[in-house]
Amino acid sequence: AQSVAQPEDQVNVAEGNPLTVKCTYSVSGNPYLFWYVQYPNRGLQFLLKYITGDNLVKGSYGFEAEFNKSQTSFHLKKPSALVSDSALYFCAVREGSGGYQKVTFGTGTKLQVIP
Amino acid sequence: DVKVTQSSRYLVKRTGEKVFLECVQDMDHENMFWYRQDPGLGLRLIYFSYDVKMKEKGDIPEGYSVSREKKERFSLILESASTNQTSMYLCASSARAGWGTEAFFGQGTRLTVV
Repeated sequence: AQSVAQPEDQVNVAEGNPLTVKCTYSVSGNPYLFWYVQYPNRGLQFLLKYITGDNLVKGSYGFEAEFNKSQTSFHLKKPSALVSDSALYFCAVREGSGGYQKVTFGTGTKLQVIP
Repeated sequence: DVKVTQSSRYLVKRTGEKVFLECVQDMDHENMFWYRQDPGLGLRLIYFSYDVKMKEKGDIPEGYSVSREKKERFSLILESASTNQTSMYLCASSARAGWGTEAFFGQGTRLTVV
């Protein structure tokens, strides 16, 4: 069974500093990996995804994520955090194989960017 | 701009009531999903549908049913609401084409059962 773990419930970072939100996954086949962001009282918004190819994926709002197959990780990064980046971030994984495969979400990491 | 619309942002219902949560998407997506979101538990899949009149159970279907009579509309039904169904409910849709298609989410319905 596929699973995804976000080991940190909350990450605090000063405005202007680089940020990292961690995600590790477990699948038996090739993974399809996603990051979503949720602002207060809103639905989730898609940020970026890894399907295949380049291990560094660039997404919306200056975010990027690095796929590391040997460490089974897909950490979300941004070179310089903004206060407006403060939100709840979800990592998700789908195992690519025949038939429909559901997406499994992590428990979420709250990012707090301190002015 | 793509859109998934949930009929209510906030709902308060009484224990034992039958509750309908409606979701409409305008992207002609084949797949539609209902999740519930609870603190510390992330998103858990209740049901999904990959075509009109087709449905599959997710991880936590007990106490829920769904209906998809038209491609654009996916309804979640709480047969007899209970207090442990107090939660944020999120509807989402995605295209069928390829495994790498992302989901688009509605704004969520915060349901309180009293």
